[in-house]
Amino acid sequence: AQSVTQPDIHITVSEGASLELRCNYSYGATPYLFWYVQSPGQGLQLLLKYFSGDTLVQGIKGFEAEFKRSQSSFNLRKPSVHWSDAAEYFCAVAPAGGNQFYFGTGTSLTVIP
Amino acid sequence: EAGVAQSPRYKIIEKRQSVAFWCNPISGHATLYWYQQILGQGPKLLIQFQNNGVVDDSQLPKDRFSAERLKGVDSTLKIQPAKLEDSAVYLCASSSRTSGRTWYFGPGTRLTVL
Repeated sequence: AQSVTQPDIHITVSEGASLELRCNYSYGATPYLFWYVQSPGQGLQLLLKYFSGDTLVQGIKGFEAEFKRSQSSFNLRKPSVHWSDAAEYFCAVAPAGGNQFYFGTGTSLTVIP
Repeated sequence: EAGVAQSPRYKIIEKRQSVAFWCNPISGHATLYWYQQILGQGPKLLIQFQNNGVVDDSQLPKDRFSAERLKGVDSTLKIQPAKLEDSAVYLCASSSRTSGRTWYFGPGTRLTVL
């Protein structure tokens, strides 16, 4: 079955430490890939997206993500986390050529001083 | 351009009551989506429209939920009767093949069922 998985429900990191959030997908062809962030009580904000081309994608707020076809992954990274990065992060996929759009279950990020 | 509009932003009802949410997508966007986001979970697709036709409603609890997009523009999602487990944020999104394969999300309607 087609799916998008975020294996980590919750992650805690210290401020200034590096961050990697995992996302794996299961689709027949490489889908379009997205990362969104949602702060408590707020709407979804697009961090970055991948359609094709360079597999390392730069986004807003210092985030980047790397697409790895061999691993069906699209992991989100940030070299130095700030306290304001504490939020819920969602990976999302849109099968190429279609209009469907699906979210993963999310990873909750806590940043400790 | 104006974003996806949703109303109301908040709604509190008692179980077994009815409620309706409205969404106005970005002008010209043919595809419209309704998602349900329960607290602590990712948004779940309820229904997807292409113009005024339903593309996917496999996750819509059809015994109590209904949605329409009669003129292929704005859409209404209704719950009748509501249950406690329907408490969630209901997100509307729209997209267009000419929008650079970008999905635009509304601010959501937060529903509390007491």
